[in-house]
Amino acid sequence: QLVVTQSPSASASLGASVKLTCTLSSRHSNYAIAWHQQQPEKGPRYLMKINSDGSHTKGDGIPDRFSGSSSGAERYLTISSLQSEDEADYYCQTWGTGIEVFGGGTKLTVL
Amino acid sequence: QVQLVQSGAEVKKPGASVKVSCKASGYTFTNYAIHWVRQAPGQGLEWVGWINVGNDKRKYSEKFQGRVTITRDTTATTAYMELNSLTSEDTALYFCARGPSSYYDSSDYYDYWGQGTLVTVSS
Repeated sequence: QLVVTQSPSASASLGASVKLTCTLSSRHSNYAIAWHQQQPEKGPRYLMKINSDGSHTKGDGIPDRFSGSSSGAERYLTISSLQSEDEADYYCQTWGTGIEVFGGGTKLTVL
Repeated sequence: QVQLVQSGAEVKKPGASVKVSCKASGYTFTNYAIHWVRQAPGQGLEWVGWINVGNDKRKYSEKFQGRVTITRDTTATTAYMELNSLTSEDTALYFCARGPSSYYDSSDYYDYWGQGTLVTVSS
């Protein structure tokens, strides 16, 4: 069964960096994923797609502070120089033949 | 610029149907798929289904199969999601999103999202 798992919460200080993790089910460790950001009371926004080799495709207007990487079944979103507006829910999404799946989301708090 | 603009909030009674629209602009409508995702109050995102706008192929989540229909009007560059037999558990924000299309299977990521449409089901 295709599943992506995220930690429910993360926190980091203003100006620091944070690395969020999305873990694919073991049989699907070579799948690509996408990260979406949802700020409070707003709709989601596409951040980037990350392939199994770590290559990534960012959405329009996404700052260089956001980067992606990959290792095994894990896909990462790193946010550097944290700003207050980065406080949001971050969702990992993956897909297979005829199916699309979301992780439960990580709530990022900027201290 | 790419824009997906959804219809306004709806209030429905249990057992009724709702049809939400998603008007696309700023790109060639038939070159992409439109996906539908929902978010119950305080919950995460849940995939509902997609339509390949170019060839009209559709795929629905097993959870909604038989209760949801996604259509499109290429002249109006608008996609629609209709959900039947509503219950209180269908109360949610419904989002449309654009994704790449492939002839056989358009399951993929989304690069643009609509603003969301709140559907409230209450007696």
